[in-house]
Amino acid sequence: EAQVTQNPRYLITVTGKKLTVTCSQNMNHEYMSWYRQDPGLGLRQIYYSMNVEVTDKGDVPEGYKVSRKEKRNFPLILESPSPNQTSLYFCASSPTSSRADTQYFGPGTRLTVL
Amino acid sequence: AQKITQTQPGMFVQEKEAVTLDCTYDTSDPSYGLFWYKQPSSGEMIFLIYQGSYDQQNATEGRYSLNFQKARKSANLVISASQLGDSAMYFCAMREADNNAGNMLTFGGGTRLMVKP
Repeated sequence: EAQVTQNPRYLITVTGKKLTVTCSQNMNHEYMSWYRQDPGLGLRQIYYSMNVEVTDKGDVPEGYKVSRKEKRNFPLILESPSPNQTSLYFCASSPTSSRADTQYFGPGTRLTVL
Repeated sequence: AQKITQTQPGMFVQEKEAVTLDCTYDTSDPSYGLFWYKQPSSGEMIFLIYQGSYDQQNATEGRYSLNFQKARKSANLVISASQLGDSAMYFCAMREADNNAGNMLTFGGGTRLMVKP
């Protein structure tokens, strides 16, 4: 089944404890991205990747890191999480960055930073 | 300025009736894509329908259709024969061809649809 998977689905952690949210897609998509969703602020892009080893900042990259060593994986790293990073996180992928390409979303990761 | 505006924070519809969810957008790019996603209470984002800026006909996917009025910059989602399972948040989104931001999706604030039995 074609899909985007994320792990973990739920995470409660404490301020400053490094964490990684994994994202994997099995559709051979070139483009991958991370979004966060917050009440009243909607979905905002954190980072994106056009292809392997090509990543760039989105609208809200502060406090996050990403890497794209393989085409299928695009992990999101929080080196020192803070409470303002409590949010619902989505990974998404599309065949390319074309405006005609649909982005398919993972199931989401609900992160709480205490 | 907001790129995607959804003016209806919440809507009710009677089961089996049709409902229209409004979306207006703002872009100077002649080439763009418009998307609708559904987010049920479980949280996942489900792709529903796509309309390209150069498409001559309105997109349709099963019970979903898109009323695309390019001159008015509107892309309203029409759901026919509403079902209880249609109760969810609905997001309109746009992907521009060259927005110098990795062609990311820009989302509207969403409309919460509630289907009454």
